[in-house]
Amino acid sequence: GAGVSQSPSNKVTEKGKDVELRCDPISGHTALYWYRQRLGQGLEFLIYFQGNSAPDKSGLPSDRFSAERTGESVSTLTIQRTQQEDSAVYLCASSSRGRGGSNQPQHFGDGTRLSIL
Amino acid sequence: AQSVTQLDSQVPVFEEAPVELRCNYSSSVSVYLFWYVQYPNQGLQLLLKYLSGSTLVKGINGFEAEFNKSQTSFHLRKPSVHISDTAEYFCAVSGFSGSRLTFGEGTQLTVNP
Repeated sequence: GAGVSQSPSNKVTEKGKDVELRCDPISGHTALYWYRQRLGQGLEFLIYFQGNSAPDKSGLPSDRFSAERTGESVSTLTIQRTQQEDSAVYLCASSSRGRGGSNQPQHFGDGTRLSIL
Repeated sequence: AQSVTQLDSQVPVFEEAPVELRCNYSSSVSVYLFWYVQYPNQGLQLLLKYLSGSTLVKGINGFEAEFNKSQTSFHLRKPSVHISDTAEYFCAVSGFSGSRLTFGEGTQLTVNP
C-alpha cells in the first residue's frame, strides 16, 4: 500500500510479557517516528530515526522500551515486561526530506492498540 | 523546549455553523505548525501546515488556520461544518529541523444535526 502500515492493529497481552510492534513506513521516507497515545490524551513522542544517524531516544519512558530500524525500512518497537500503564495506542509516522534538509510533514499509520491485562 | 495548549477539550456545534478550535504554543525557536485530524480507530491525517510565507493557510475539507506570531497562536477555523467533521483535532509544532512533533491534548469536535 501507499501509506504507513502498522501491525498488529490490536494486541492484548498479560502483564509481564514482552511485545513487539511493527511499522512499515512509506517507501522512500528516510525519517520514522514512534508516538504513544494514552486514552483521551495527545501523542507523546517516543523515538525518531533519520536515515543511518543515531536515533533520538529521548522520549522513551523507561529501559523496558526499545526500538530498532533496519536502514530506511521496517521498524520494530519492543516493550519488555509490560505493565498496565503501557496500555495505549502506539502510532508510527514517516516523512521524507525536503529541500534544505528539513523533514516534510509526517504521515501516520493507524496505530497498534495495546491492552495489558 | 516546546509546548502546545489547546484551550478547549470539547467543542459541540450545530451543522452548518462556523467553528474555531484554538491553539497556542510556546517555543524558544522558530517552529513549523500543524493541525491533524483523527477519526475513531484511525491514525492522524494532516489537515494543514504552516512552514513559512503567508500566515493564512488553507487545508483540506474547507479548513483554514492563521499563524499569529505575536500571540503565538495557530487557531483552526471552518465557516460551515458538516456532521462528517466530527473527530478529534490535534495541533502540533516541530522545530525547523523537522524532527519530533509536540502535540496538544486534542479538541473533540462534535457536530450535531
